[in-house]
Amino acid sequence: ETGVTQTPRHLVMGMTNKKSLKCEQHLGHNAMYWYKQSAKKPLELMFVYNFKEQTENNSVPSRFSPECPNSSHLFLHLHTLQPEDSALYLCASSPAGTTNTGELFFGEGSRLTVL
Amino acid sequence: AQSVTQLGSHVSVSEGALVLLRCNYSSSVPPYLFWYVQYPNQGLQLLLKYTTGATLVKGINGFEAEFKKSETSFHLTKPSAHMSDAAEYFCAVSDRSGGSNYKLTFGKGTLLTVNP
Repeated sequence: ETGVTQTPRHLVMGMTNKKSLKCEQHLGHNAMYWYKQSAKKPLELMFVYNFKEQTENNSVPSRFSPECPNSSHLFLHLHTLQPEDSALYLCASSPAGTTNTGELFFGEGSRLTVL
Repeated sequence: AQSVTQLGSHVSVSEGALVLLRCNYSSSVPPYLFWYVQYPNQGLQLLLKYTTGATLVKGINGFEAEFKKSETSFHLTKPSAHMSDAAEYFCAVSDRSGGSNYKLTFGKGTLLTVNP
């Protein structure tokens, strides 16, 4: 199995829909991240979880709701999104603690289009 | 606070030519430095990283980068470009001052085009 798996790879939703993105890592890491990648903009860190606890919320609108039930799974629940939320959403993981050098291991991303 | 500047949002080279992608960083402490590559419709893949030790770092696909502290640079090179190198490249820096987590700060990316 690949290290970090994201589903679905592509998602189209209306502004009133509710959907979820899923991320699963098989690397034994304890930190997981959501990034947003929009065209012509730098990668934006959204959320960080360490050992299932949220340690960073980078001023993300409440229409994005993360969930981390265990160290291997991370979800991003989406509701009442706006067209400007269309982007590639990348999940990443890393070791936590002294073995961490900052290196992130990324999934292939979920391409979201909001109509 | 740390930051990364990638000079040139788009670099175009001929197949077989030298690839040089520039990255300068700022960090208040000795940094860890990374280059990631992103192929179309895919996530980011680590090319190489500098943590400690030898300042010339070799990565996958024939790429290498040299950490130059005096110039605060970490430029990425490859002697001979291949068509398959066409992708977007991101330089990133993390510092060692964090607790159990290190935040990567990414540059804006450089799109590499390889012409036949």
